[in-house]
Amino acid sequence: EDKVVQSPLSLVVHEGDTVTLNCSYEVTNFRSLLWYKQEKKAPTFLFMLTSSGIEKKSGRLSSILDKKELSSILNITATQTGDSAIYLCAVNYGGSQGNLIFGKGTKLSVKP
Amino acid sequence: EAQVTQNPRYLITVTGKKLTVTCSQNMNHEYMSWYRQDPGLGLRQIYYSMNVEVTDKGDVPEGYKVSRKEKRNFPLILESPSPNQTSLYFCASRTSGRSEQFFGPGTRLTVL
Repeated sequence: EDKVVQSPLSLVVHEGDTVTLNCSYEVTNFRSLLWYKQEKKAPTFLFMLTSSGIEKKSGRLSSILDKKELSSILNITATQTGDSAIYLCAVNYGGSQGNLIFGKGTKLSVKP
Repeated sequence: EAQVTQNPRYLITVTGKKLTVTCSQNMNHEYMSWYRQDPGLGLRQIYYSMNVEVTDKGDVPEGYKVSRKEKRNFPLILESPSPNQTSLYFCASRTSGRSEQFFGPGTRLTVL
């Protein structure tokens, strides 16, 4: 059965801390891995990773894929209260449909 | 502005009363999808559509119907809602050949 597992499920840090969120997957026909940020509304797209070992960066956020280990990490440096959200990992799997299977998310709370 | 819209945003209804949640996108995307999001279960796909008149079941299709008569619209129909369909529903779309999906603002449905 295809699955995506995220850890930890929740995390509380203080402003300025660095956090690492984990995503592992077991899917047939892996095509890409995506990270989304969900505040009190719709998920918004952060990164898409297809190649192993190539880091994607956007400001204080960065992500990397390890296809050998079937996993990805999302790093957030110098966290701010505005980073508080649920971070979702999704994998594009199987065939030409391009459907996504999502992990359950990591809820990040950043305290002032 | 490129966007996915959903209506209504909030709905409280009673068991058995048919309802439709509309979804529309203005990005000329071929692919559209419906998800439900429940605490502890994450985002799960209900139905998806690769293009006009082409729809298929996702992981949790029971109790739902969809149609895709026009490219921009993808309504979700609950013929006889039940309390276990109380959830947060998201519509999403993407263009062919890309993995990242863009989400609507969500519809919070409560079935009494």
